[in-house]
Amino acid sequence: GAVVSQHPSWVICKSGTSVKIECRSLDFQATTMFWYRQFPKQSLMLMATSNEGSKATYEQGVEKDKFLINHASLTLSTLTVTSAHPEDSSFYICSARDPGQGTNGGELFFGEGSRLTVL
Amino acid sequence: QKEVEQDPGPLSVPEGAIVSLNCTYSNSAFQYFMWYRQYSRKGPELLMYTYSSGNKEDGRFTAQVDKSSKYISLFIRDSQPSDSATYLCAVLRSGNTPLVFGKGTRLSVIA
Repeated sequence: GAVVSQHPSWVICKSGTSVKIECRSLDFQATTMFWYRQFPKQSLMLMATSNEGSKATYEQGVEKDKFLINHASLTLSTLTVTSAHPEDSSFYICSARDPGQGTNGGELFFGEGSRLTVL
Repeated sequence: QKEVEQDPGPLSVPEGAIVSLNCTYSNSAFQYFMWYRQYSRKGPELLMYTYSSGNKEDGRFTAQVDKSSKYISLFIRDSQPSDSATYLCAVLRSGNTPLVFGKGTRLSVIA
């Protein structure tokens, strides 16, 4: 099956620094990728929809200037948490839909997630 | 009202038990229904994917959808300790729209 790779899987940083998380579709092209955030014992909450070659669509309450999303190619989307603070500590997960698998636009695959801890 | 409601548990059962996990959703526009399993510190993995009302079986797992009552279920037969994880229901409108997840139910199967 298709694989979505996410890197890094674990990152610890100081408050005020920026952190970049990469999401790659390894064997399919994804025009759209989704970024989710999951706090402990909570469900996945959609942050933004990343569109290749155009601006990302952010969910209400998500600061677009803080969470920069770049979908520069059909296999790579990046999420940069700028000036990270302890409240940004969370589990960030990306997903991408493989149009060649499943029905109705393709099966959705998830990355392994990136755990961010801001000290 | 949240779009998807799911009891977070935790749910603890003995090995071999039948497990029933449930979700309700509020919008009849949702057409596709999924169950994901998520182990600790890992991304979710798709278990079942259904479209129409009725049952869909895959090994020890059965997904059930009742669109009239907006109710979805996942049954696990002969539960194993390796089934211990968080189970998330998710719904999808159509096309390239994002999934909407329930809160997830944490399941522990005790040997």
